Amino acid sequence: DSGVTQTPKHLITATGQRVTLRCSPRSGDLSVYWYQQSLDQGLQFLIQYYNGEERAKGNILERFSAQQFPDLHSELNLSSLELGDSALYFCASSVVGGQAFFGQGTRLTVV
Amino acid sequence: TQLLEQSPQFLSIQEGENLTVYCNSSSVFSSLQWYRQEPGEGPVLLVTVVTGGEVKKLKRLTFQFGDARKDSSLHITAAQPGDTGLYLCAGESNSGYALNFGKGTSLLVTP
Repeated sequence: DSGVTQTPKHLITATGQRVTLRCSPRSGDLSVYWYQQSLDQGLQFLIQYYNGEERAKGNILERFSAQQFPDLHSELNLSSLELGDSALYFCASSVVGGQAFFGQGTRLTVV
Repeated sequence: TQLLEQSPQFLSIQEGENLTVYCNSSSVFSSLQWYRQEPGEGPVLLVTVVTGGEVKKLKRLTFQFGDARKDSSLHITAAQPGDTGLYLCAGESNSGYALNFGKGTSLLVTP
């Protein structure tokens, strides 16, 4: 158990819909990262938050957004979903300069 | 985005065999990490290499960082079925805030 909790584990939704993925970081970790993993693209960095502020952006689509709340949990919002958005979405957390610990992921299937 | 190429993409071997997987880039990294990911789980950190030419051993796993800090290798001696999984290498991005991952080597060790 990495200490990072992601919910839900599985999500099936229709094209055009909007979903929210949730991540609770390890106790004490201020940094939260979101990654998307698909068979063809591998593990792609989406966005990072540090103590509530956006720190870095990767290959995140404009239809996607994220935020980190005062209690440090984070949410990734995916809207206008397309079939190609089907993937595993991972959250990771770390202390500054420390090892990143990954959650078990949310498997999103868009039908 | 710094590109990390991993090879081979797939590897199927029998228990007791040795193997080496590679992680190459045209970019220099301040550090490089190796992760193992099992089905239904997030990646788990195996090792971080920092110094060019560095060699680290973790039981039957030997990790090497290239002298120019652009490439790395993972050698497994006497592979066991428990070594089965997806092996990912990751380097710190230019921003230093998030990891860029290779697409991974999927290893299957059969008894």
